[in-house]
Amino acid sequence: SQKIEQNSEALNIQEGKTATLTCNYTNYSPAYLQWYRQDPGRGPVFLLLIRENEKEKRKERLKVTFDTTLKQSLFHITASQPADSATYLCALGYSTLTFGKGTMLLVSP
Amino acid sequence: DAGITQSPRHKVTETGTPVTLRCHQTENHRYMYWYRQDPGHGLRLIHYSYGVKDTDKGEVSDGYSVSRSKTEDFLLTLESATSSQTSVYFCASSPGLAGENEQYFGPGTRLTVT
Repeated sequence: SQKIEQNSEALNIQEGKTATLTCNYTNYSPAYLQWYRQDPGRGPVFLLLIRENEKEKRKERLKVTFDTTLKQSLFHITASQPADSATYLCALGYSTLTFGKGTMLLVSP
Repeated sequence: DAGITQSPRHKVTETGTPVTLRCHQTENHRYMYWYRQDPGHGLRLIHYSYGVKDTDKGEVSDGYSVSRSKTEDFLLTLESATSSQTSVYFCASSPGLAGENEQYFGPGTRLTVT
């Protein structure tokens, strides 16, 4: 069956460091992969979309990589700030999206 | 931000009663989705719509029905609410197919079935 796995344990880092979150998937051959941010009590907010023929995509302090051989995406936040603390979700699919359970990021001052 | 609202934002209901949640979007998006989010399960798709009167089932559709009579409105009905349907429900919309388009999410409805 299709699975999307994200680290269930929270990632704790210090302000200014780079946060790296992992999304692994099995039994998918996605053409696209997306990342969302979710704050407590709110709906997810879209961050980035990367296509299978793009190895890397950047937006401001965010960078996403997509390795279809490893079946893995890495999501990086450089120069992290306490305001980056949130849960980050990856999602795959074509006509619909399947979401991972998310990884909580905690950035301490 | 895309204008997508949900009503009600909070609801408490009794087991066995029907419940309807409403999603309204002002972006003229063709696709709309209903998800539920539960601890340990993440976001799971209940139903989605790919046009007016065109809907399909998602991963966890049992006990739910949907209707879309206008582009802007997508209704989710729990035909006879059960305690297992206590959850936070999110509506989303996208201009095109989910995979290649960002989804815009509503603020969520917290439903408690007692």
